[in-house]
Amino acid sequence: GNSVTQMEGPVTLSEEAFLTINCTYTATGYPSLFWYVQYPGEGLQLLLKATKADDKGSNKGFEATYRKETTSFHLEKGSVQVSDSAVYFCAGVSGNTPLVFGKGTRLSVIA
Amino acid sequence: ETGVTQTPRHLVMGMTNKKSLKCEQHLGHNAMYWYKQSAKKPLELMFVYSLEERVENNSVPSRFSPECPNSSHLFLHLHTLQPEDSALYLCASSQNWLNAADIYGYTFGSGTRLTVV
Repeated sequence: GNSVTQMEGPVTLSEEAFLTINCTYTATGYPSLFWYVQYPGEGLQLLLKATKADDKGSNKGFEATYRKETTSFHLEKGSVQVSDSAVYFCAGVSGNTPLVFGKGTRLSVIA
Repeated sequence: ETGVTQTPRHLVMGMTNKKSLKCEQHLGHNAMYWYKQSAKKPLELMFVYSLEERVENNSVPSRFSPECPNSSHLFLHLHTLQPEDSALYLCASSQNWLNAADIYGYTFGSGTRLTVV
């Protein structure tokens, strides 16, 4: 079946550091890929998405590019802030399947 | 405000109680979902409703009983729960059950934090 694999956390960074959270997706066909963010005490919010190969999703300084060859969708941000501390979920969906989530990566940014 | 509203935000209940979680969306979506999020475990899809009919039930114990009276409302009725059922219960919706989810994804509510004592 379809699956999403993302790097295990937790990830702890200093403010203004560069962030990468790896994500790969296994599926039949070419899925649409998403990053969701969950701030403490909240539900999941859509952060960005890409619906076809080579698309780049971006929002709030975060970026992710859909790499067809590796079905990867790594999340990056050039300079993280304390307010970016949250849990990040990679997710994918294709055809006749529900949205599949990775296990989540907790990010802590310290001042 | 995400467009999906869940009530209550917090709930503490005894193992012999009966309670209900409520989810409401006015996004015009046709599919609604219940997820369970436990500490240190992946998101678990519990139930899916499409056009008010249940289309997925992922081996969820019968002490959880969903209800979808119309396309805007979804309930999760709880009875005789166990302490291990304590978790964050998330409701989500999407345009359709299978088509279009790949373009727009799902919209989540803020969740109900359930504690079973």
